[in-house]
Amino acid sequence: EVQLMETGGGLVQPGKSLKLTCATSGFTFSTAWMNWVRQSPEKGLEWIARIKPKSTNYATEYAESVKGRFTISRDDSKSSIYLQMNSLKEEDTATYYCMDGGYAYWGQGVMVTVSS
Amino acid sequence: DVVMTQTPVSLSVSLGGQTSISCRSSQSLVHSDGNTYLYWYLQKPGQSPQLLIYKVSNRFSGVPDRFSGSGSGTDFTLKISRVEPEDLGVYYCYQGTHYPYTFGAGTKLELK
Repeated sequence: EVQLMETGGGLVQPGKSLKLTCATSGFTFSTAWMNWVRQSPEKGLEWIARIKPKSTNYATEYAESVKGRFTISRDDSKSSIYLQMNSLKEEDTATYYCMDGGYAYWGQGVMVTVSS
Repeated sequence: DVVMTQTPVSLSVSLGGQTSISCRSSQSLVHSDGNTYLYWYLQKPGQSPQLLIYKVSNRFSGVPDRFSGSGSGTDFTLKISRVEPEDLGVYYCYQGTHYPYTFGAGTKLELK
């Protein structure tokens, strides 16, 4: 059974940092593309980052809204991906999901609230 | 960015009835590899989106054949027949062809 589980969310002040983790199981993680998606009432569902496997030198892509502030990474030994979020803004407040590269499997989501 | 326009915004349907949702993209979703990366999801209250249809017309594992997807290029449709209570929620289309990948704004399916 494929499982994805996000952790690391919470309340953080504007300008601060937070790191999300998505732990996976049930599929061959090392060759999988992986994504981060977020959802807020204001913007709806928004794809924000993708990372490819080691064979591509872990190529990454980002949405403009997070480029330069967020970094997606992975640890194949732990079947996990990460989202390092720096210089957080109030508009980054959302539920963050990890999603597999086939766009089939999602985690349960983790809430990030950016507020002073 | 590719804009995904879903219509209608909301739908009211009777149990056992049939309905359809339209999704139009601002540019063709045919990838250079020949595939069309258009997906349909259902999000029930308090849950993550769940995949229904992948690459335009393929039902995901466990999805009932009451759900069908069709279309090409920039114009896509999700049809739901014999609507059941568990079909209620918000439906989204999504394109994974062009960066940044984008979602439609959603169509809420409610009971009449």
